[in-house]
Amino acid sequence: DSGVTQTPKHLITATGQRVTLRCSPRSGDLSVYWYQQSLDQGLQFLIQYYNGEERAKGNILERFSAQQFPDLHSELNLSSLELGDSALYFCASSVQAGATGELFFGEGSRLTVL
Amino acid sequence: SQKIEQNSEALNIQEGKTATLTCNYTNYSPAYLQWYRQDPGRGPVFLLLIRENEKEKRKERLKVTFDTTLKQSLFHITASQPADSATYLCALDESPSGTYKYIFGTGTRLKVLA
Repeated sequence: DSGVTQTPKHLITATGQRVTLRCSPRSGDLSVYWYQQSLDQGLQFLIQYYNGEERAKGNILERFSAQQFPDLHSELNLSSLELGDSALYFCASSVQAGATGELFFGEGSRLTVL
Repeated sequence: SQKIEQNSEALNIQEGKTATLTCNYTNYSPAYLQWYRQDPGRGPVFLLLIRENEKEKRKERLKVTFDTTLKQSLFHITASQPADSATYLCALDESPSGTYKYIFGTGTRLKVLA
């Protein structure tokens, strides 16, 4: 158990809908990262937050947005969903931004868009 | 931008042998490089980190090397066991200035045959 909690574990929805994925980092970790992993694809970096502020942005679509709240949990909002958004979405946390230490990953939220 | 290349073909080896996985990067040499293990449908788990001034790092049956001249890291598992079967990912920060954008290779799937 990494200590990173992601909910929901599975989500099935229709095209055009909007969903929110939630992540609770490990106790004491200030950084939260979001990744997307499609079938047979590598982990694609979406966005990173540190102590409530956005620190780095990857290839995150404009239809996607995220935030980190004062209690350090983070949410990833996906809107106007398309079939191609079906993927595993991982959240990871680390102690500090850009730390050379490890990333602790949650078990992911599997999104299926029908 | 920095790119990571890992052999996408699966690697099958016999139990007890040493598995060697390769991670190549395309541009600047990162200050450090990380290796993760990912089981199907699970979040990646951190294994080892090696810094640019370290030629080699060991942890139990795992060994990582880092050759900045070749722009390559090798990951070795000695005395491999069927339980080592998984996908192994390497990761590094996308830019030399430390943008906190950890990018991952697509991973190499290892299968250890009993």
